[in-house]
Amino acid sequence: GENVEQHPSTLSVQEGDSAVIKCTYSDSASNYFPWYKQELGKGPQLIIDIRSNVGEKKDQRIAVTLNKTAKHFSLHITETQPEDSAVYFCADPLTGTASKLTFGTGTRLQVTL
Amino acid sequence: DAGVTQSPTHLIKTRGQHVTLRCSPISGHKSVSWYQQVLGQGPQFIFQYYEKEERGRGNFPDRFSARQFPNYSSELNVNALLLGDSALYLCASSPTSGRYNTGELFFGEGSRLTVL
Repeated sequence: GENVEQHPSTLSVQEGDSAVIKCTYSDSASNYFPWYKQELGKGPQLIIDIRSNVGEKKDQRIAVTLNKTAKHFSLHITETQPEDSAVYFCADPLTGTASKLTFGTGTRLQVTL
Repeated sequence: DAGVTQSPTHLIKTRGQHVTLRCSPISGHKSVSWYQQVLGQGPQFIFQYYEKEERGRGNFPDRFSARQFPNYSSELNVNALLLGDSALYLCASSPTSGRYNTGELFFGEGSRLTVL
């Protein structure tokens, strides 16, 4: 993957609302799409990922959807909580290996009470 | 179990100096990757090492170099520091490498480098 566009750059939601972050990639050969969460002062942490043969994956309040035709994948967080406040990054593997990732520009999510 | 550990956590250097950053991967992980994260941006891939061999290099100048030791720990070296090298340097480890490795990267908390 050479280029990953991520939107929005900032997102503010009220506690309990849903949040959606979208990423667009350029490499048709991409087959693995992770989402990382970075809290202040910490390194990124994988929260969910999806492979190209699957259209949607859920893990409790978090879900990722993939549209290979449109070359975009989205992170959905439902019933947001204050601890969801962080910066979220999508990523696309360089040359098809998950050890070398091109990260998006990040989305700062703020969940307000 | 200990996660990925990096040292030092913070350091300040002046232009033209050299810096060495160190990383210890999670026990059993053989792959180590280095990323540079400038404030407000996503991490950018610098190097990947697996079984002591370089497996990938990002778009960084030759002033950046790295190596991996027999115990799978790694060092990132940056020579002739520039102001633009100021960033958070992240190390990540994973059990395996290669095209069919679609597993998780485990990141350390990073080394924050300030170049004055």
